[in-house]
Amino acid sequence: AQSVAQPEDQVNVAEGNPLTVKCTYSVSGNPYLFWYVQYPNRGLQFLLKYITGDNLVKGSYGFEAEFNKSQTSFHLKKPSALVSDSALYFCAVYGNKLVFGAGTILRVKS
Amino acid sequence: DAGVIQSPRHEVTEMGQEVTLRCKPISGHNSLFWYRQTMMRGLELLIYFNNNVPIDDSGMPEDRFSAKMPNASFSTLKIQPSEPRDSAVYFCASSSRGDNTEAFFGQGTRLTVV
Repeated sequence: AQSVAQPEDQVNVAEGNPLTVKCTYSVSGNPYLFWYVQYPNRGLQFLLKYITGDNLVKGSYGFEAEFNKSQTSFHLKKPSALVSDSALYFCAVYGNKLVFGAGTILRVKS
Repeated sequence: DAGVIQSPRHEVTEMGQEVTLRCKPISGHNSLFWYRQTMMRGLELLIYFNNNVPIDDSGMPEDRFSAKMPNASFSTLKIQPSEPRDSAVYFCASSSRGDNTEAFFGQGTRLTVV
């Protein structure tokens, strides 16, 4: 069975600073990993995915994620945070089904 | 494409009543997922279908919940009888293959059982 852990309930960062939202996973076989974002009263929106290839994956809105197989991690990053990035972020893994982490609230303050 | 369409957007019902949530996946997608989101339990996978066939319903909380996908363009999630603890936001999502392709989510149905 696969699982995802997002160890931080909330991440606070100042606008313009780099941000990192952490994710670790457990799955048998090759992992298919995803990041989604959810704004209030909306569905989840896809940001980026890792299937194979380069460990650094670039996605929407300037976000990127780094896949680390030895640490079984897939942390979401952005070099310079915007206030509009404030939202709920979910990491997900596909083993035999798509399973999401508990989510991390990102708050970017101006 | 209009994306994944869910209806209704909001549903308020009395305990004991039957509730039916509807989903129209993106045309051409052959995997469909039903999720439930609550503050306490986060985002839970209830059931998913591949090519209209239920593959894994281990997340369905109890027999009061049932899901069907009679064709590639329509799915329902039914709760009968409903209970206050079923109050949550229910999301439907679809993807073109299910494993290495991203899932697209609907806007969700906010269910309140009073």
